[in-house]
Amino acid sequence: DTEVTQTPKHLVMGMTNKKSLKCEQHMGHRAMYWYKQKAKKPPELMFVYSYEKLSINESVPSRFSPECPNSSLLNLHLHALQPEDSALYLCASSQDGGTLSGANVLTFGAGSRLTVL
Amino acid sequence: RKEVEQDPGPFNVPEGATVAFNCTYSNSASQSFFWYRQDCRKEPKLLMSVYSSGNEDGRFTAQLNRASQYISLLIRDSKLSDSATYLCVVNWDNFNKFYFGSGTKLNVKP
Repeated sequence: DTEVTQTPKHLVMGMTNKKSLKCEQHMGHRAMYWYKQKAKKPPELMFVYSYEKLSINESVPSRFSPECPNSSLLNLHLHALQPEDSALYLCASSQDGGTLSGANVLTFGAGSRLTVL
Repeated sequence: RKEVEQDPGPFNVPEGATVAFNCTYSNSASQSFFWYRQDCRKEPKLLMSVYSSGNEDGRFTAQLNRASQYISLLIRDSKLSDSATYLCVVNWDNFNKFYFGSGTKLNVKP
C-alpha cells in the first residue's frame, strides 16, 4: 500500500466544472509535489511546497491552483480546464533538503486520472 | 540538451537474460541519483537510490560514473514481472527539484 494517498482515483469533469484533487501523507515529509503525466511521457513537475509554502511553480496555468492546508495535506483545485489537461496527476512527498545524498527521495501516490470533456 | 537522457527502448529480452540501461545527465554538480520503476497506468516506485560506490539489491545493480556523467542499471536473470518502464531521476541545484529521464521500456518475453 502506498504511503501517499490520493483521491479521487478517477475524475471526469466538464470544462466549466470546478473540482479538487486531494493528497495526504503521514510520513512526516515536509515537501509535497504535484506532477502531471501524459501517456508514454515522464512525470512533469507542476508545483512544490516546502514547509507548507509554495517554493516552485513551473509556470502552470492559473486554472490549476494548489493549496497546502498543513504539512500532511496537499490539494489541487481545478477550474475551467481544457481537454488537453486530461492526464494522470501524481502527488509526491519527500523529506525536503536532505543533507545526505539520496536522503531526499520522492514517494508517489497512486495518482488521480483526470478526464476533461 | 536535456538534463537527463535515456534510451526509450523498448528493450525486448527473453526470460533469464541480463539487460543494462544507461542514463546520462548534463550537470556535473548533480547530487542524488535514482532508478524508479513504473508499471502501465501506475505510479513510479523507487527501485534503487544510486550511490557513488555502486549498490546491489538482489538481481539489480546500479552504478554511478561521475567522470562520464552517467548512471546504469543492470538486471540479471530477467523475470516476466520486470516488464515495466524504468525512469532515471537526478537531483542537483535544488533539493526539491528532480529531473526525470524519458524512461526506458523493458519487455521480458517468455
